[in-house]
Amino acid sequence: DVKVTQSSRYLVKRTGEKVFLECVQDMDHENMFWYRQDPGLGLRLIYFSYDVKMKEKGDIPEGYSVSREKKERFSLILESASTNQTSMYLCASRLPSGGNTEAFFGQGTRLTVV
Amino acid sequence: AQSVAQPEDQVNVAEGNPLTVKCTYSVSGNPYLFWYVQYPNRGLQFLLKYITGDNLVKGSYGFEAEFNKSQTSFHLKKPSALVSDSALYFCAVRDPRSGGYNKLIFGAGTRLAVHP
Repeated sequence: DVKVTQSSRYLVKRTGEKVFLECVQDMDHENMFWYRQDPGLGLRLIYFSYDVKMKEKGDIPEGYSVSREKKERFSLILESASTNQTSMYLCASRLPSGGNTEAFFGQGTRLTVV
Repeated sequence: AQSVAQPEDQVNVAEGNPLTVKCTYSVSGNPYLFWYVQYPNRGLQFLLKYITGDNLVKGSYGFEAEFNKSQTSFHLKKPSALVSDSALYFCAVRDPRSGGYNKLIFGAGTRLAVHP
């Protein structure tokens, strides 16, 4: 079975902390994504990576960075957490085949910044 | 602008009745369209997709969707709803501006509530 695993289901962090969200996939997919999900806004793309050490900004990259040192792992970093980054974060991976393949999602990390 | 709209925040259906969750899109060129479902405290699961071919596509858990090019719609349907279908449903379309990156644009989501 295809699997995307996020390291934490729930996290509570303090304002100003540096936060790491980890995602691992076992499908050998080149493409990986980080989204945040907020009620009424759907999913918004933060960053994506199309291969190891390659990354592109999504629609809302401000306040975030990413790291992809190995193909199976894609990390999202909140440089200095703020309360407006309280959200559900979803990682996904996909084969890079012209956009006609589905993405596989992790179970999500619900982050609360206090 | 490239976009996806899910006009209903919530859809309520009685168990056993047919259900429809609406999605309309606005993209240039031929759309690649997807439906995903999210159960409580879970990630998204793929249901079905339209890339080309027959306008009626069938997917997981008895769901199907009809692609209508003239109405730029891709409504999700099921002939007989189950209480276990209660979840949050997302429509998505490939962003043609993203070139080879093939990014997805998601709708805001529709909460489906199926009542016994």
